[in-house]
Amino acid sequence: EVQLVESGGGLVQPGRSLRLSCEASGFTYDDYAMHWVRQAPGKGLEWVSGISWNSARRGYADSVKGRFTISRDNAKNSLYLQMNGLSAEDTALYYCAKNAGSYELHYFYGLDVWGQGTAVTVSS
Amino acid sequence: QAGLTQPPSVSKGLRQTATLTCTGNSNNVGDQGAAWLQQHQGHPPKLLSDRNNNRPSGISERVSASRSGNTASLTITGLQPDDEADYYCSAWDSSLSAVVFGGGTKLTVL
Repeated sequence: EVQLVESGGGLVQPGRSLRLSCEASGFTYDDYAMHWVRQAPGKGLEWVSGISWNSARRGYADSVKGRFTISRDNAKNSLYLQMNGLSAEDTALYYCAKNAGSYELHYFYGLDVWGQGTAVTVSS
Repeated sequence: QAGLTQPPSVSKGLRQTATLTCTGNSNNVGDQGAAWLQQHQGHPPKLLSDRNNNRPSGISERVSASRSGNTASLTITGLQPDDEADYYCSAWDSSLSAVVFGGGTKLTVL
């Protein structure tokens, strides 16, 4: 079964850091680019970051650039998001998602596999 | 980052046809096309159509997608109660080097 399972979310104070993880199974992980997408409570989807199959290319939304870092470990079928300098505006459900049909970040066919998400709440 | 433009809501009757639109520019929708997602409340999104307007396995034939210039469209025929959901378009923006989403359309089936 094709599956993505996120972990690492929680309640964190403003200015602190958090590291999200996503473990993939059921497909050849290093054949695909991967992404993080978040959804604030009651709001729409917001792309956060993406990474190509070999980590050569990474992209970030302006709202997180300089604060968040995406990485992957193909040996462990895992995707990560290091989040620093968190603020209340980062409160959201964070989804890990697989690029459909392409290993390159900029060949975006859509996101065809999603995890259940991990919730991040930034509050004092 | 500028996103794609979708109408906030669309309402149609049972068994009718709904067409949802997504407007971008020549750097995103007009360049590579748009992919469509469906999201029911409390669930992760599901891909309905990729950027080439292809349906993944398991997606109903009642769903079809198309593109004209900088506007992508998703058409759902024979609306059923389970089609009531939020629908999002997404695309790669070559000028931003980023994925952009539309704000989403809430489809209500009356």
